[in-house]
Amino acid sequence: RKEVEQDPGPFNVPEGATVAFNCTYSNSASQSFFWYRQDCRKEPKLLMSVYSSGNEDGRFTAQLNRASQYISLLIRDSKLSDSATYLCVVSHGSSYKLIFGSGTRLLVRP
Amino acid sequence: GAGVSQSPRYKVAKRGQDVALRCDPISGHVSLFWYQQALGQGPEFLTYFQNEAQLDKSGLPSDRFFAERPEGSVSTLKIQRTQQEDSAVYLCASSLIGGGGGGGEKLFFGSGTQLSVL
Repeated sequence: RKEVEQDPGPFNVPEGATVAFNCTYSNSASQSFFWYRQDCRKEPKLLMSVYSSGNEDGRFTAQLNRASQYISLLIRDSKLSDSATYLCVVSHGSSYKLIFGSGTRLLVRP
Repeated sequence: GAGVSQSPRYKVAKRGQDVALRCDPISGHVSLFWYQQALGQGPEFLTYFQNEAQLDKSGLPSDRFFAERPEGSVSTLKIQRTQQEDSAVYLCASSLIGGGGGGGEKLFFGSGTQLSVL
């Protein structure tokens, strides 16, 4: 079983829709959490860090539930340009290693 | 340069060939990482350098994989006697200080080298 699990999708939604992804992690030593975005044949790029209190960046909201060991990402008012793979990422304590999930693919259609 | 640069962008090798993949991190970045990303998977950690010191090579899949960063800037990932299972995208990433993401430090990835072993 992978340490970080994600639904691979694809999630196929119309423009303007709200879509949510969940991710679960198995190691309770995980201390830092991130969502990365990866476009087809491109490198991963940090979308946002995830804080215990939850955080928002424009149309994107990330939440962390330590008790249940899951992380969520909510995208409101989806744009065509949001089509990408969203990678859930954790690290342990102050570790430099990032542990990636396999990603959830999002397709936003006109 | 403006970002992390990797070369070549694509590499096709015959099984058994040796390959060398190059990474030019952002100037002044202390930490350098190599990750391997198989098709349909997330990146997996291979190795970590802080300046010229290789502090962690626990992710290297076998002794056919070797990485170096002799002057604390450019790094090379070498794969000897390539096998079909080595086919993947090899991503290099750098960060300004040690930590590389664990403490919220932003990690900058290169575009990767896509290796295909026939």
